[in-house]
Amino acid sequence: NAGVTQTPKFRVLKTGQSMTLLCAQDMNHEYMYWYRQDPGMGLRLIHYSVGEGTTAKGEVPDGYNVSRLKKQNFLLGLESAAPSQTSVYFCASNLGVQNTEAFFGQGTRLTVV
Amino acid sequence: AQSVTQLDSQVPVFEEAPVELRCNYSSSVSVYLFWYVQYPNQGLQLLLKYLSGSTLVESINGFEAEFNKSQTSFHLRKPSVHISDTAEYFCAVRGPGSGNTGKLIFGQGTTLQVKP
Repeated sequence: NAGVTQTPKFRVLKTGQSMTLLCAQDMNHEYMYWYRQDPGMGLRLIHYSVGEGTTAKGEVPDGYNVSRLKKQNFLLGLESAAPSQTSVYFCASNLGVQNTEAFFGQGTRLTVV
Repeated sequence: AQSVTQLDSQVPVFEEAPVELRCNYSSSVSVYLFWYVQYPNQGLQLLLKYLSGSTLVESINGFEAEFNKSQTSFHLRKPSVHISDTAEYFCAVRGPGSGNTGKLIFGQGTTLQVKP
């Protein structure tokens, strides 16, 4: 049981380049999330999804887009990367029942130069 | 808006000493509270959670946290730490504002550094 898997694990982008981060979960979870982690700021929610085909904005959505075409996958896109998007990105999933925990992936370390 | 404050960014402590990592949240209504741990270069793992019932919750590796509604706190404690407890610890809350989305609000994180 792999849980939540993120690819890639590391990436360096030049300013203005685009990329997509992939999150895959094999637990049949309904809810999925993308967070970014920055020093001294904890984790902040970028976008989330409560089911296949649905997405919603979180706390810091600007500069990112997401898609949930399949229940097990949640993609995070950066159309034109900026240095301010240098961060560690975490994907998480949740069964969707009120009292269950979120499971996190191992993270993607992104550097925009 | 709901918020979570972890009062210490770094906590250095010697091995076998007790430790307390402090967490306060802003909501005055019912919430779910979590502590997650992040070991170096890894993702977050759930350490323990408070959903309802007993206000004292425990983890399998000796940590405990007490939900204090009047003080809106959820401090994490361990009576005797090990070198292997060195990690970053995040307090998180999920409350009525999350609706049925399961969104978590995280604190800033506390780095626990256990010294030999």
